[in-house]
Amino acid sequence: DAKTTQPNSMESNEEEPVHLPCNHSTISGTDYIHWYRQLPSQGPEYVIHGLTSNVNNRMASLAIAEDRKSSTLILHRATLRDAAVYYCILIWGGSNYKLTFGKGTLLTVNP
Amino acid sequence: DAMVIQNPRYQVTQFGKPVTLSCSQTLNHNVMYWYQQKSSQAPKLLFHYYDKDFNNEADTPDNFQSRRPNTSFCFLDIRSPGLGDAAMYLCATSSSNEQFFGPGTRLTVL
Repeated sequence: DAKTTQPNSMESNEEEPVHLPCNHSTISGTDYIHWYRQLPSQGPEYVIHGLTSNVNNRMASLAIAEDRKSSTLILHRATLRDAAVYYCILIWGGSNYKLTFGKGTLLTVNP
Repeated sequence: DAMVIQNPRYQVTQFGKPVTLSCSQTLNHNVMYWYQQKSSQAPKLLFHYYDKDFNNEADTPDNFQSRRPNTSFCFLDIRSPGLGDAAMYLCATSSSNEQFFGPGTRLTVL
């Protein structure tokens, strides 16, 4: 699986937007970009995924660079409940949907 | 609500004593996964089932086995737990573009 690079940690204030970056310079044409997050003492949960176009859902937005070598997860208004480790994961379109987790970004949200 | 259930949430076993962790799902998904997550590390896939087809990751120790008797249930068997097997064990399911995780079972090995 292609590798991703994320900052180890980021900090945000409550009710402000948060932009979580992910670099994936070796991404292939059939790799989907997925984001999961893991809240403290819980299993990971799906956030969003995309291939080429920007995506929005009720949790977040995903902005994908035109060359697909990077992407940004956007939380529009961070809440204390968004404090978690965020994982950016590439999944080959033809796979059995296996997740290979990297180290992720620990997001701290300040009140 | 449809969900992934793991029992027990906390399991204590002794060094070398076999232990079984359970996972059930009400989502009727055809794929089920087992992950190991050690303290301060990311989850690591051990194996997964696509229906009844078992797929082992290359670096999963032989000490770890799994059974899936039907669509709803999947078990993780650790034949001879060592101290290094103390971890959170996460079960997940998927049908297509999303995995649904259970809350995990925290295993302590004494």
